[in-house]
Amino acid sequence: AQSVTQLGSHVSVSEGALVLLRCNYSSSVPPYLFWYVQYPNQGLQLLLKYTTGATLVKGINGFEAEFKKSETSFHLTKPSAHMSDAAEYFCAVSRGANNLFFGTGTRLTVIP
Amino acid sequence: KAGVTQTPRYLIKTRGQQVTLSCSPISGHRSVSWYQQTPGQGLQFLFEYFSETQRNKGNFPGRFSGRQFSNSRSEMNVSTLELGDSALYLCASSANPSGRDEQYFGPGTRLTVT
Repeated sequence: AQSVTQLGSHVSVSEGALVLLRCNYSSSVPPYLFWYVQYPNQGLQLLLKYTTGATLVKGINGFEAEFKKSETSFHLTKPSAHMSDAAEYFCAVSRGANNLFFGTGTRLTVIP
Repeated sequence: KAGVTQTPRYLIKTRGQQVTLSCSPISGHRSVSWYQQTPGQGLQFLFEYFSETQRNKGNFPGRFSGRQFSNSRSEMNVSTLELGDSALYLCASSANPSGRDEQYFGPGTRLTVT
């Protein structure tokens, strides 16, 4: 069975501070991993994904994530938070099909 | 390229009624997936269609069904609506069904059941 755990349903950071959103997955086989962002009253937008290859993945808007198989983690980071980063972030996994299993989400608040 | 479109954007129905939601994928995309988003259960996979065939189905009752047409447009239907079916229903399209590629999400249809 696949599952995704996102630690912290709410995270607050100051503008300009490091953003760290945590994601751990449970899978017998390394899955495909994704981070999506959702702004109010909108659908989801892909930030980045890991399928194979380089374990440090760079995405849009300055975000990046590192796949760590030994820790079964795929944490999302951004060196310097911007007000426009305030949104809800979802970690998701899939394994060979377009049926994403999502974490419960982390709402990011950026304090000016 | 136009994005994924979903109609209607908002819908209010009464318990016991049925509803049909529509999704038009990005041109050229043949895989369409549906998800339900609620505050309590989060984002849950409903089903996926590729080339008019259902490939995967989530853990939802038979009241939830879907189909895909030859032009890749998809519809989902919920019969005998319950209050718990109130949710944001998201459709996503992808170029192929491998799971490796990005799924592009539409803005969703917000269904309220009263």
